[in-house]
Formats: sequence, structure tokens, C-alpha cells
Amino acid sequence: QSALTQPASVSGSPGQSITISCTGTSSDVGNYNLVSWYQQHPGKAPKLMIYEGSKWPSGVSNRFSGSKSGNTASLTISGLRAEDEAVYFCCSYTITSTMIFGGGTRLTVL
Amino acid sequence: QVQLVESGGGVVQPGRSLRLSCAASGFTFSNHGMHWVRQAPGKGLEWVAIIWYDGSNKYYADSVKGRFTISRDNSKSTLYLQMNSLRAEDTAVYYCARAASTVWSGFYYWGQGTLVTVSS
Repeated sequence: QSALTQPASVSGSPGQSITISCTGTSSDVGNYNLVSWYQQHPGKAPKLMIYEGSKWPSGVSNRFSGSKSGNTASLTISGLRAEDEAVYFCCSYTITSTMIFGGGTRLTVL
Repeated sequence: QVQLVESGGGVVQPGRSLRLSCAASGFTFSNHGMHWVRQAPGKGLEWVAIIWYDGSNKYYADSVKGRFTISRDNSKSTLYLQMNSLRAEDTAVYYCARAASTVWSGFYYWGQGTLVTVSS
């Protein structure tokens, strides 16, 4: 099963909003409300930012939001801050009872 | 606070075996599904395996099926990954992670990872 498709990089200025897309198929993203998003800073473990499509884990800012349309999930970050600069991964449950990640998107805050 | 501490990584020759451990604290381990996720150097994340809260169900990525075995000891709050027939492409940082609200909802807490290097 191929990885979910994410843009390699996105960028934005402080205070702006950006959206990262995550495209799968009807066997994963499109068929389940089980997409999650992770933030990873260099040399650190990933951190859960959104789960079950749009839910916030405890302690995560509501500047991060998740949504889905068809086979594509999206992560939107509003009010960009320098500390948001990181790599973001999406992940989905699949029809074969496995989980699949996207390739990752590097966010640069200009 | 929740802590997940992996151990057991190291350098191993191709074809050999290694067992990773993940010691959990700060939550009721026996109530939660647990995952292993790996990340090859400079690469993205790859899901490896999941085990149900009581060990009753286990699922694996195709890349490790038949070679890796996930298990847990709830009396010790510890998760394991037995890795056999190791290959160069298994070289990665291995993270254990606690499941979110359901076993497939996402990875709520992560350990710091343990590096496995498969090389002759």
C-alpha cells in the first residue's frame, strides 16, 4: 500500500494561516474518520496534534485544526509562529487493519 | 506524567535477532492498545505493529509480518518487539506509542525512541 500523499514543503509568514493536505484513497482516508497529524522537530519524537480527524489532544493549541473532504484530509495552522516550524506527518487507519503515514511536509516559517 | 521508555536497540548483523522493550508509567498500561512505529535515518514514519490492551489482537505491517512479534506484559507495564531475521532496511529509530481513544485513532504518547542498526 502506497504512502499517503503530502506536499514536500509549505511556508508562511508569522501570523498567517497555512494548510497541509494529505491525500489517500477510499481504502483509508476516505472511508474512516481516523486520520491523525503529528509534528516533529529535529531530533525529537513526533507529537500528536490532531486525532480522529479533528480532535485536539490535551495541551495542543486550537490554532491547529483538522478536516476532511473525500479522500483528502487537511491540517490548518492559523496564526503561524516560529515554533511551528517542523515536519508534519499525517496518518490513517486502512481497510487492511494497518496504519499508513504520509511522506511528511516540512513547514518553514519565513 | 506519562512516560514511555524504549530500550534494547543497538548494532546487529543481518539475519540476527533483537528484542526491544518499552517501559510504561503514569497511566494504566493494561487499559490501552500500544504500537511500535519506526523511522529510518532521514526518512518518514512507518507504522510497524499494534497490540490490543489485553494482548488479544495483533496486527503488523507487511514489511515485518512473519519476522517481528509484538507482545506485552501488563503485570510489568512493558511492551516488547521481538525482531528476527533482521535486514539492513530495518535500520531505524523504533518508537513505542500509546493508542489514542481507540486503538486505531492515533498515537497519543510517544517514547524517545531506540536506534536499531542492522549492519555487518
